[in-house]
Amino acid sequence: EVQLSESGGGLVQPGGSLTLSCGASGFTFWDSAMGWVRQAPGKGLEWVSSISGSGRKTDYADSVKGRFSISRDNSRDTVYLQMSSLTAEDTAVYYCAKDGPYYDFSTGYFSSGNYFDHWGQGALVTVSS
Amino acid sequence: ENVLTQSPGTLSLSPGERATLSCTAGQSVSSRYLAWYQKKPGQAPRLLIYATSSRATGVPDRFSGSGSGTQFTLTISRLDPEDFAVYYCQQYGSSTWTFGQGTKVEI
Repeated sequence: EVQLSESGGGLVQPGGSLTLSCGASGFTFWDSAMGWVRQAPGKGLEWVSSISGSGRKTDYADSVKGRFSISRDNSRDTVYLQMSSLTAEDTAVYYCAKDGPYYDFSTGYFSSGNYFDHWGQGALVTVSS
Repeated sequence: ENVLTQSPGTLSLSPGERATLSCTAGQSVSSRYLAWYQKKPGQAPRLLIYATSSRATGVPDRFSGSGSGTQFTLTISRLDPEDFAVYYCQQYGSSTWTFGQGTKVEI
């Protein structure tokens, strides 16, 4: 059974930093891209960042580019989100999510589906003085 | 950024009725990269549909997806009381993932 568990959320002052962790189990972690998605209070879902299975490719939403950094440790089955220069607009529940597979019938191989098939329960980050 | 616009914002229906949710993209989306999720308060999002029309594991067959190009649809054939929730479409393109703003299905 796939399980994702976020940790590291909490209250942080504006301008401060925080690092979220997401521990994974139940699947071949090094072979799966991972992402972070957030939901601010009363708002919809917003993609934040994604990282390839190897960790060599990372992508960021414009709203966090230059302030957030995603990384992973495949020896620990863990993905991280380092957040800095936080503002009130970053207050949200942050979800860790696993990329789902896509089977290409033309090649007979699986590749990244670029959708999220499993999600953690979320970590609340509150930016306030 | 490829903006996804969902309509209607709120759908008021009764159990047993059919729900049709729309997702319109500002630019064409590969059918491989369009997904739908269900979100209930206090719960993590749940994947329903990926690659436009493929149901995720364990998703009832009353949920179906269709569409191409810039127009996509999620249909719930007969609403069950547990289906009342917010639904989001999501696309991938040019190393960017975007979600629609959501459609709330309420009683």
